[in-house]
Amino acid sequence: DGGITQSPKYLFRKEGQNVTLSCEQNLNHDAMYWYRQDPGQGLRLIYYSQIVNDFQKGDIAEGYSVSREKKESFPLTVTSAQKNPTAFYLCASTGFTEAFFGQGTRLTVV
Amino acid sequence: AQSVTQLGSHVSVSEGALVLLRCNYSSSVPPYLFWYVQYPNQGLQLLLKYTSAATLVKGINGFEAEFKKSETSFHLTKPSAHMSDAAEYFCAVRNSGGSNYKLTFGKGTLLTVNP
Repeated sequence: DGGITQSPKYLFRKEGQNVTLSCEQNLNHDAMYWYRQDPGQGLRLIYYSQIVNDFQKGDIAEGYSVSREKKESFPLTVTSAQKNPTAFYLCASTGFTEAFFGQGTRLTVV
Repeated sequence: AQSVTQLGSHVSVSEGALVLLRCNYSSSVPPYLFWYVQYPNQGLQLLLKYTSAATLVKGINGFEAEFKKSETSFHLTKPSAHMSDAAEYFCAVRNSGGSNYKLTFGKGTLLTVNP
């Protein structure tokens, strides 16, 4: 079945560490997105990519980095510069109309 | 620029009652509009979408929404709430033309269904 796979489901980060969240899709979509979700704040766009080897900052890109070396993959790195990384992270891809979402990764700073 | 406003961060209804979740949008071009549902610790699932065809759109689980251009609204309704409808609901908008498929989301409405 086609879909989006995020891993891991739960991730714990120590202060000062970089961590990478994985997102893979087999829907043959060109565009992929990373959103951050905090209670009461909806979904905020971190980065998006509309084509391989190209990506743009979203509304809250500071402290995050991405790469898009393959159409199927759009990993997100949460760097030590992100001062409040504890959140639920959602990856999505879009076809001609709607977006399809992964099941999310819950990142917690310990 | 486009934006979405969901009126009411929390809506509570009794089982069997009408569900009405409000969404107003702002867009400089004809929009595509979406409603998504999210259950705890899960991703978002598409409920329904408006893509410039019929203005009354029917979705999964008995939900429907009506696109009203004059009111810039896309409210979500269901005639009779079920306990399983308890979840968070997000309205989203994107441009209908061009190659930019970026979605803008509202802040969400948490629906509680009381027995």
